[in-house]
Amino acid sequence: DAGITQSPRHKVTETGTPVTLRCHQTENHRYMYWYRQDPGHGLRLIHYSYGVKDTDKGEVSDGYSVSRSKTEDFLLTLESATSSQTSVYFCAIKDGAGTEAFFGQGTRLTVV
Amino acid sequence: KQEVTQIPAALSVPEGENLVLNCSFTDSAIYNLQWFRQDPGKGLTSLLLIQSSQREQTSGRLNASLDKSSGRSTLYIAASQPGDSATYLCAVLLYNFNKFYFGSGTKLNVKP
Repeated sequence: DAGITQSPRHKVTETGTPVTLRCHQTENHRYMYWYRQDPGHGLRLIHYSYGVKDTDKGEVSDGYSVSRSKTEDFLLTLESATSSQTSVYFCAIKDGAGTEAFFGQGTRLTVV
Repeated sequence: KQEVTQIPAALSVPEGENLVLNCSFTDSAIYNLQWFRQDPGKGLTSLLLIQSSQREQTSGRLNASLDKSSGRSTLYIAASQPGDSATYLCAVLLYNFNKFYFGSGTKLNVKP
Protein backbone atom coordinates (compact mmCIF):
# COMPACT_ATOMS: atom_id res chain seq x y z
CA ASP A 1 0.00 0.00 0.00
CA ALA A 2 1.08 3.54 -0.78
CA GLY A 3 2.21 5.45 2.32
CA ILE A 4 -0.67 7.84 2.89
CA THR A 5 -2.04 8.65 6.30
CA GLN A 6 -5.05 10.82 6.95
CA SER A 7 -5.77 12.26 10.37
CA PRO A 8 -8.05 12.32 12.13
CA ARG A 9 -10.05 9.37 10.79
CA HIS A 10 -13.24 10.56 12.42
CA LYS A 11 -14.26 13.95 13.73
CA VAL A 12 -17.41 15.56 15.04
CA THR A 13 -17.37 19.34 15.26
CA GLU A 14 -19.80 22.17 15.81
CA THR A 15 -21.03 24.61 13.21
CA GLY A 16 -18.82 27.67 12.99
CA THR A 17 -15.65 26.09 14.35
CA PRO A 18 -12.44 25.80 12.31
CA VAL A 19 -11.29 22.30 11.38
CA THR A 20 -8.03 21.09 9.87
CA LEU A 21 -7.55 17.72 8.24
CA ARG A 22 -4.09 16.39 7.57
CA CYS A 23 -2.74 14.21 4.80
CA HIS A 24 0.75 12.82 5.21
CA GLN A 25 2.65 10.85 2.58
CA THR A 26 5.92 8.97 2.70
CA GLU A 27 6.20 8.47 -1.08
CA ASN A 28 7.69 11.87 -2.04
CA HIS A 29 5.00 12.24 -4.72
CA ARG A 30 4.64 15.63 -6.34
CA TYR A 31 0.85 15.90 -6.56
CA MET A 32 -1.57 15.79 -3.65
CA TYR A 33 -5.34 16.14 -3.76
CA TRP A 34 -8.31 16.57 -1.47
CA TYR A 35 -11.65 15.09 -2.51
CA ARG A 36 -14.98 14.85 -0.78
CA GLN A 37 -17.38 11.99 -1.32
CA ASP A 38 -21.11 12.38 -0.85
CA PRO A 39 -24.04 10.14 -1.78
CA GLY A 40 -25.46 11.22 -5.10
CA HIS A 41 -22.42 13.35 -5.95
CA GLY A 42 -19.59 10.89 -6.07
CA LEU A 43 -16.04 12.14 -5.61
CA ARG A 44 -15.49 15.85 -6.15
CA LEU A 45 -12.17 17.67 -6.15
CA ILE A 46 -11.75 20.39 -3.51
CA HIS A 47 -8.13 21.52 -3.96
CA TYR A 48 -4.94 20.06 -5.24
CA SER A 49 -1.22 20.77 -5.00
CA TYR A 50 1.43 20.36 -7.67
CA GLY A 51 4.38 21.17 -5.43
CA VAL A 52 5.42 22.81 -2.16
CA LYS A 53 3.43 26.03 -1.80
CA ASP A 54 1.77 25.43 -5.21
CA THR A 55 -1.95 24.82 -4.95
CA ASP A 56 -5.04 25.28 -7.10
CA LYS A 57 -8.79 25.08 -6.72
CA GLY A 58 -11.02 22.22 -7.68
CA GLU A 59 -14.72 22.23 -8.45
CA VAL A 60 -15.99 22.60 -4.86
CA SER A 61 -13.39 24.83 -3.20
CA ASP A 62 -15.70 27.39 -1.55
CA GLY A 63 -15.33 27.32 2.24
CA TYR A 64 -12.05 25.40 2.11
CA SER A 65 -8.40 26.41 2.11
CA VAL A 66 -5.24 24.33 1.82
CA SER A 67 -1.57 24.60 2.58
CA ARG A 68 1.49 22.60 1.63
CA SER A 69 4.65 23.75 3.35
CA LYS A 70 6.43 20.40 2.99
CA THR A 71 6.33 17.77 0.27
CA GLU A 72 4.88 15.20 2.64
CA ASP A 73 2.03 17.19 4.19
CA PHE A 74 -1.13 18.65 2.66
CA LEU A 75 -3.57 20.33 5.04
CA LEU A 76 -7.23 21.03 4.38
CA THR A 77 -8.87 23.71 6.52
CA LEU A 78 -12.53 24.46 6.92
CA GLU A 79 -12.41 28.03 8.19
CA SER A 80 -15.90 27.94 9.69
CA ALA A 81 -17.52 24.54 9.39
CA THR A 82 -21.09 24.24 8.12
CA SER A 83 -23.47 21.27 8.07
CA SER A 84 -23.10 21.08 4.27
CA GLN A 85 -19.45 20.16 4.82
CA THR A 86 -20.43 16.94 6.57
CA SER A 87 -18.80 14.39 4.30
CA VAL A 88 -16.07 11.83 3.87
CA TYR A 89 -12.81 13.46 2.83
CA PHE A 90 -10.15 11.62 0.87
CA CYS A 91 -6.58 12.55 0.20
CA ALA A 92 -4.81 11.25 -2.92
CA ILE A 93 -1.24 11.36 -4.17
CA LYS A 94 0.27 11.02 -7.62
CA ASP A 95 3.87 11.20 -8.78
CA GLY A 96 3.34 12.44 -12.33
CA ALA A 97 0.78 12.57 -15.10
CA GLY A 98 1.47 9.05 -16.33
CA THR A 99 1.39 7.36 -12.95
CA GLU A 100 -1.25 5.85 -10.72
CA ALA A 101 -3.09 7.85 -8.11
CA PHE A 102 -3.29 6.39 -4.60
CA PHE A 103 -5.85 7.22 -1.97
CA GLY A 104 -5.87 7.43 1.78
CA GLN A 105 -8.46 5.72 3.97
CA GLY A 106 -10.59 8.80 4.40
CA THR A 107 -11.73 11.12 7.18
CA ARG A 108 -15.38 11.07 8.18
CA LEU A 109 -16.33 14.59 9.27
CA THR A 110 -19.65 15.39 10.89
CA VAL A 111 -20.64 19.02 11.49
CA VAL A 112 -23.47 19.38 14.01
CA LYS B 1 -15.86 20.31 -18.32
CA GLN B 2 -15.24 16.60 -18.48
CA GLU B 3 -18.29 14.49 -17.68
CA VAL B 4 -17.71 10.87 -16.69
CA THR B 5 -20.61 8.41 -16.64
CA GLN B 6 -20.74 4.85 -15.39
CA ILE B 7 -23.48 2.45 -16.37
CA PRO B 8 -25.05 0.53 -14.78
CA ALA B 9 -25.21 2.19 -11.37
CA ALA B 10 -25.71 -1.21 -9.76
CA LEU B 11 -25.31 -4.80 -10.87
CA SER B 12 -26.10 -8.10 -9.18
CA VAL B 13 -24.79 -11.34 -10.66
CA PRO B 14 -24.34 -14.95 -9.54
CA GLU B 15 -20.88 -16.15 -8.74
CA GLY B 16 -18.85 -17.34 -11.72
CA GLU B 17 -20.29 -14.98 -14.29
CA ASN B 18 -18.12 -12.86 -16.54
CA LEU B 19 -19.19 -9.24 -16.47
CA VAL B 20 -18.49 -5.87 -18.03
CA LEU B 21 -18.60 -2.47 -16.38
CA ASN B 22 -18.78 0.63 -18.53
CA CYS B 23 -17.25 4.09 -18.27
CA SER B 24 -17.83 6.88 -20.77
CA PHE B 25 -16.33 10.38 -20.91
CA THR B 26 -17.19 13.44 -22.94
CA ASP B 27 -13.75 14.89 -23.68
CA SER B 28 -11.52 12.48 -25.60
CA ALA B 29 -8.37 14.52 -24.87
CA ILE B 30 -7.47 12.35 -21.92
CA TYR B 31 -3.98 11.52 -20.70
CA ASN B 32 -4.98 8.26 -19.04
CA LEU B 33 -7.81 6.47 -17.27
CA GLN B 34 -7.70 4.62 -13.97
CA TRP B 35 -10.06 2.04 -12.50
CA PHE B 36 -10.55 1.75 -8.73
CA ARG B 37 -12.56 -0.37 -6.35
CA GLN B 38 -14.01 0.90 -3.11
CA ASP B 39 -15.24 -1.33 -0.32
CA PRO B 40 -17.86 0.07 2.08
CA GLY B 41 -16.35 2.55 4.52
CA LYS B 42 -12.91 2.25 2.93
CA GLY B 43 -10.66 4.22 0.64
CA LEU B 44 -10.12 3.63 -3.05
CA THR B 45 -7.85 0.85 -4.24
CA SER B 46 -6.20 1.21 -7.63
CA LEU B 47 -6.93 -1.66 -10.03
CA LEU B 48 -5.63 -0.66 -13.44
CA LEU B 49 -4.17 2.39 -15.16
CA ILE B 50 -4.46 2.71 -18.95
CA GLN B 51 -2.43 5.33 -20.76
CA SER B 52 -4.08 7.12 -23.70
CA SER B 53 -1.72 5.31 -26.09
CA GLN B 54 -2.81 1.88 -24.84
CA ARG B 55 -5.84 -0.15 -25.86
CA GLU B 56 -5.87 -2.69 -23.02
CA GLN B 57 -4.42 -3.42 -19.63
CA THR B 58 -4.70 -6.67 -17.71
CA SER B 59 -4.25 -7.71 -14.11
CA GLY B 60 -5.28 -11.21 -13.11
CA ARG B 61 -9.00 -11.65 -13.79
CA LEU B 62 -9.38 -7.99 -14.69
CA ASN B 63 -9.05 -6.54 -18.16
CA ALA B 64 -9.62 -2.89 -18.97
CA SER B 65 -9.95 -1.51 -22.47
CA LEU B 66 -9.85 2.05 -23.70
CA ASP B 67 -11.32 3.55 -26.87
CA LYS B 68 -10.39 7.22 -26.72
CA SER B 69 -12.07 8.19 -29.97
CA SER B 70 -15.46 6.98 -28.78
CA GLY B 71 -14.91 8.13 -25.20
CA ARG B 72 -15.34 4.72 -23.62
CA SER B 73 -13.59 2.30 -21.32
CA THR B 74 -14.75 -1.09 -20.12
CA LEU B 75 -13.66 -3.17 -17.15
CA TYR B 76 -14.07 -6.89 -17.74
CA ILE B 77 -14.14 -9.17 -14.69
CA ALA B 78 -13.76 -12.86 -15.44
CA ALA B 79 -15.24 -15.61 -13.27
CA SER B 80 -16.66 -13.24 -10.68
CA GLN B 81 -16.41 -14.09 -6.97
CA PRO B 82 -18.26 -12.81 -3.89
CA GLY B 83 -15.04 -11.03 -2.90
CA ASP B 84 -15.39 -8.88 -6.00
CA SER B 85 -18.45 -7.21 -4.45
CA ALA B 86 -17.60 -3.52 -4.17
CA THR B 87 -18.15 -0.21 -5.93
CA TYR B 88 -16.03 0.24 -9.04
CA LEU B 89 -15.03 3.75 -10.10
CA CYS B 90 -13.30 5.08 -13.16
CA ALA B 91 -11.34 8.33 -13.28
CA VAL B 92 -9.96 10.22 -16.26
CA LEU B 93 -6.98 12.54 -16.32
CA LEU B 94 -7.02 15.32 -18.91
CA TYR B 95 -4.10 16.79 -20.79
CA ASN B 96 -3.09 20.25 -19.55
CA PHE B 97 -4.38 19.63 -16.05
CA ASN B 98 -3.28 17.23 -13.38
CA LYS B 99 -6.79 16.91 -12.08
CA PHE B 100 -8.79 13.77 -12.58
CA TYR B 101 -12.54 13.39 -12.83
CA PHE B 102 -14.54 10.51 -11.44
CA GLY B 103 -17.61 8.67 -12.54
CA SER B 104 -20.27 7.98 -9.94
CA GLY B 105 -19.43 4.28 -9.82
CA THR B 106 -21.03 0.89 -10.37
CA LYS B 107 -22.00 -1.02 -7.25
CA LEU B 108 -21.39 -4.71 -7.88
CA ASN B 109 -22.89 -7.53 -5.85
CA VAL B 110 -21.72 -11.07 -6.61
CA LYS B 111 -24.04 -13.64 -5.03
CA PRO B 112 -22.64 -16.96 -3.80
